[in-house]
Amino acid sequence: QVQMVESGGGVVQPGGSLRLSCVTSGFNFSAYGMHWVRQAPGKGLEWESYIGRDGTNRYYVDSAKGRFTISRDNSKNTVFLQMNSLRTDDTAVYYCAAGASYWGQGTLVTVSS
Amino acid sequence: DIQLTQSPSSLSASVGDTVTITCRASQGISDFLAWFQQQPGKAPKSLIYAASSLHSGVPSKFSGSGSGTYFTLTIRRLQPEDFATYYCQQYDSFPITFGQGTRLDLK
Repeated sequence: QVQMVESGGGVVQPGGSLRLSCVTSGFNFSAYGMHWVRQAPGKGLEWESYIGRDGTNRYYVDSAKGRFTISRDNSKNTVFLQMNSLRTDDTAVYYCAAGASYWGQGTLVTVSS
Repeated sequence: DIQLTQSPSSLSASVGDTVTITCRASQGISDFLAWFQQQPGKAPKSLIYAASSLHSGVPSKFSGSGSGTYFTLTIRRLQPEDFATYYCQQYDSFPITFGQGTRLDLK
């Protein structure tokens, strides 16, 4: 069955960095573009970033440009999100998603001094 | 950026009812629209892609329609597990955007 497990979340001070990972199994990872989507406490879903199947095409929401970097390792069925210069308004649950099909359970990022 | 506006923002219904949620796009997106369900404290679940195609394992009580700028999600014969928040998402162009969500509550 499909499994997608995010990790790497935690508490970080403003200006700090985190690297999120999403390890997947149960589907053909290299056939899917991958997304990171976040959800601030009590708020709706907000798309953050996308990476194409071979890693060539990458897109970001404006607020993430220059701070976040998405990458993937198809040999390990894993997608990453490197987050630098974190701000308090980056506090959210971060989900990875495979296309419009599969979602992980999320990892909580809290940015606080 | 393409804006998606869902209506209503919240909706109360009873078990057995049929409800319809609408999603309007600020510009045409063909059929590049998906619908997701999110239970409280849980990850989103994919329901529909390409405006009207059901994901594997999603019951046929869920149906989607529309193209261009107007889309609907209809849920028939509501059951307790259907009371959740529903989001539409456009993937016609980047940045990908979501509607603000529709919360479906038990009346």
